Amino acid sequence: QVQLVQSGAEVKKPGASVKVSCKASGYTFTVYYMHWVRQAPGQGLEWMGWISPNSGGTNYAQKLQGRVTMTRDTSISTAYMELSRLISDDTAVYFCARDRMAYSSTCPDYWGQGTLVTVSS
Amino acid sequence: DIQMTQSPSSLSASVGDRVTITCRASQGISSWLAWYQQKPEKAPKSLIYAASSLQSGVPSRFSGGGSGTDFTLTISSLQPEDFATYYCQQYHRFPLTFGGGTKLEIK
Repeated sequence: QVQLVQSGAEVKKPGASVKVSCKASGYTFTVYYMHWVRQAPGQGLEWMGWISPNSGGTNYAQKLQGRVTMTRDTSISTAYMELSRLISDDTAVYFCARDRMAYSSTCPDYWGQGTLVTVSS
Repeated sequence: DIQMTQSPSSLSASVGDRVTITCRASQGISSWLAWYQQKPEKAPKSLIYAASSLQSGVPSRFSGGGSGTDFTLTISSLQPEDFATYYCQQYHRFPLTFGGGTKLEIK
């Protein structure tokens, strides 16, 4: 069955960077785009962007351009999301989520369990 | 960006009730709409895509409708496990955007 397992919680200081991993299993990793979505405490969902594991191509939300980098390692079926120059507003749970359609960007179907990133001095 | 507006923001209902949640897009999105269910401290769960197509494994009491700018999620007979927060999401244009959520509570 499809599983997305994310790395553990992180605490970072303002100005630092964080890198969250998402290990996929149960399907061919390179076939489905991977989205990243975040949720601030008590708030709604915010789409951050996606990566094509096949090509490495990315599409980022303009709001995060210049601070977010999505990469992948196909040899271990793992996607990564790195966010730099962290501020307190970046405190959130970060989710990876697989796209539902092969080689396309549509909407997520399977979701990781989430990774809490806390930005605090 | 396309704004997604859900109503109501919260809703109290009883087991067995039929409930409908509405989602409105700030511009036409054809049928490029998904619905998700989220329980506290859990990841969202995908319910519906393409406005009305049920994800595999989702009970048939859930249904979606609409196209263009106005969409609905209907639960025909509420079960105890359905009390959660529901989000709509458009995937017609980037950035993908979500509605603010509808919290469904037990009356």
